[in-house]
Amino acid sequence: DIVMTQTPSSQAVSAGEKVTMSCKSSQSLLYSENKKNYLAWYQQKPGQSPKLLISWASTRESGVPDRFIGSGSGTDFTLTISSVQAEDLAVYYCEQYYDTPFTFGSGTKLEIK
Amino acid sequence: QVQLKESGPGLVQPSQTLSLTCTVSGFSLMDYSVHWVRQPPGKGLEWMGRMKYDGDTYYNSALKSRLSISRDTSKSQVFLKMNSLQTEDTAIYYCTRGGVWGQGVMVTVSS
Repeated sequence: DIVMTQTPSSQAVSAGEKVTMSCKSSQSLLYSENKKNYLAWYQQKPGQSPKLLISWASTRESGVPDRFIGSGSGTDFTLTISSVQAEDLAVYYCEQYYDTPFTFGSGTKLEIK
Repeated sequence: QVQLKESGPGLVQPSQTLSLTCTVSGFSLMDYSVHWVRQPPGKGLEWMGRMKYDGDTYYNSALKSRLSISRDTSKSQVFLKMNSLQTEDTAIYYCTRGGVWGQGVMVTVSS
């Protein structure tokens, strides 16, 4: 199984600050035939279902604010929030869908100071 | 629009079998795969298994011996059955199609 490792486990920032969080996979998620990384980022707010923010490592879903930026390739990925807002309080998960079983990281909890 | 909704019992006794239904709308089960994911209270997400669009299934190896996923395409429903439930199976159970998730159903395993 592909192991997904997220760091940090939690992070506290002030509104307006930039935040980055990391997701590393135990094997490459880059499919050579189509040059796509099979990596998604989800946001889960308290009491809600996860919401897909980014797929293919860097493609924002429709309606997702452009302050959310996904980057990386192969085994190292980053989610950046360029200017954190109060409503971004949530746990952020990465998920690989390169191979079954699909696997999630353990999450990064974002707290607002 | 695309929607998924889980249903099933909120309380299951230890050692019993859990049966959940995911009813979908806005798409065909013969065109898209549906996954089951669970989340114990206060913990992270665990991918359980998948009903592929072609009818093939795949299970998390940790659950494989207890888990079964099936479907009824005519009713747009995907089913999850898991036996020998224990307290650690207490969780919110979600069905999801890619980026679209159901609201989840809380299942408590307790006598």
